[in-house]
Amino acid sequence: GNSVTQMEGPVTLSEEAFLTINCTYTATGYPSLFWYVQYPGEGLQLLLKATKADDKGSNKGFEATYRKETTSFHLEKGSVQVSDSAVYFCALSSSNNAGNMLTFGGGTRLMVKP
Amino acid sequence: DAGVIQSPRHEVTEMGQEVTLRCKPISGHNSLFWYRQTMMRGLELLIYFNNNVPIDDSGMPEDRFSAKMPNASFSTLKIQPSEPRDSAVYFCASRDPQGGNQPQHFGDGTRLSIL
Repeated sequence: GNSVTQMEGPVTLSEEAFLTINCTYTATGYPSLFWYVQYPGEGLQLLLKATKADDKGSNKGFEATYRKETTSFHLEKGSVQVSDSAVYFCALSSSNNAGNMLTFGGGTRLMVKP
Repeated sequence: DAGVIQSPRHEVTEMGQEVTLRCKPISGHNSLFWYRQTMMRGLELLIYFNNNVPIDDSGMPEDRFSAKMPNASFSTLKIQPSEPRDSAVYFCASRDPQGGNQPQHFGDGTRLSIL
């Protein structure tokens, strides 16, 4: 079956540091890959997505590249801000008999200190 | 544009009581998902509707849980009777008809506490 593994947190960084959150996946077929962000007290929001191999998703300074050869979709940002403090979820969408559903990783909490 | 709307935002009730959570998906979206989020188990899919029809309810934990979608603009998740272990944040999400590559849009959740 499908699965998503992402690095456990919390990840604590100083403002303007470089961020990497690792995500690897197992899936049949050709999944689409997503990063969602959850701010305190809110629901998950789509941060970026990639639908095929070598696609790069980007938004708000965050980037992730769909690497089929390594089955990875690592999230990166060159310079984090305090406002980036949140929980980040990697997810994949793949067809099955029940239709297209999301499989989520366990989430990685990011804490950015001023 | 209005996003996914959930109510109530917070619910505190005593065990044994019936709890009803409500969700209004984004207009035009034809898929609706109910999730539960806890510290211990993370984010779990409970049930998934497509065109108001339940497609996969394998994540519904027990017969105490039931979900309905009487029309395209409304869904409910009921717990009867409620138990303290049901305490969690419950999220509803919807997705537009263009298919699985489209993202799910989440509501802000209902934080449920069963005493």
